[in-house]
Amino acid sequence: EAGVTQFPSHSVIEKGQTVTLRCDPISGHDNLYWYRRVMGKEIKFLLHFVKESKQDESGMPNNRFLAERTGGTYSTLKVQPAELEDSGVYFCASSQEGRNTIYFGEGSWLTVV
Amino acid sequence: EDQVTQSPEALRLQEGESSSLNCSYTVSGLRGLFWYRQDPGKGPEFLFTLYSAGEEKEKERLKATLTKKESFLHITAPKPEDSATYLCAVQGPGGFKTIFGAGTRLFVKA
Repeated sequence: EAGVTQFPSHSVIEKGQTVTLRCDPISGHDNLYWYRRVMGKEIKFLLHFVKESKQDESGMPNNRFLAERTGGTYSTLKVQPAELEDSGVYFCASSQEGRNTIYFGEGSWLTVV
Repeated sequence: EDQVTQSPEALRLQEGESSSLNCSYTVSGLRGLFWYRQDPGKGPEFLFTLYSAGEEKEKERLKATLTKKESFLHITAPKPEDSATYLCAVQGPGGFKTIFGAGTRLFVKA
């Protein structure tokens, strides 16, 4: 069974540009999460989808970040315009309905220069 | 505020030298405590979920235990391939938002 897949694995963009990260959850997982780890910090929660609905977006840092999950399948996280402090690893994770154990992807490493 | 503190930050062991990693947590109403393993450049790999004080789970050389205030990850006779960062995380009553600790970096020397 395929795990959580993320694309791209690495990206380097200039300050002010836009980047879109994609996540495909484990098949059948209704819950999808985005997390982020910036340099030297713990992994931090960004938001949680249940199917196509945003259940909790309390961790989104500001309105430069936009997450979508159209159709309740894959999700995208757009950063526009990117700032230097957005550099870090963006992890996507998923879990089954009613189950609280979450499974992570390999992460998308973002560097803003 | 929910909080997770892991200690030590780093641990160096000789192959076969057993030890324990600590995870202290503060959460109002624990829904679950999780242990993950993370290798460099990879995502966290799920190891265990613990739900209530007194619970224990084992997998190969790893054993996780839980009390009302902390969890331990015991590593018995570690091997070099056990070298990784071990992450502890908790979920409180507010939903599926998971709070992570900073991790313990384990180095096992042959």
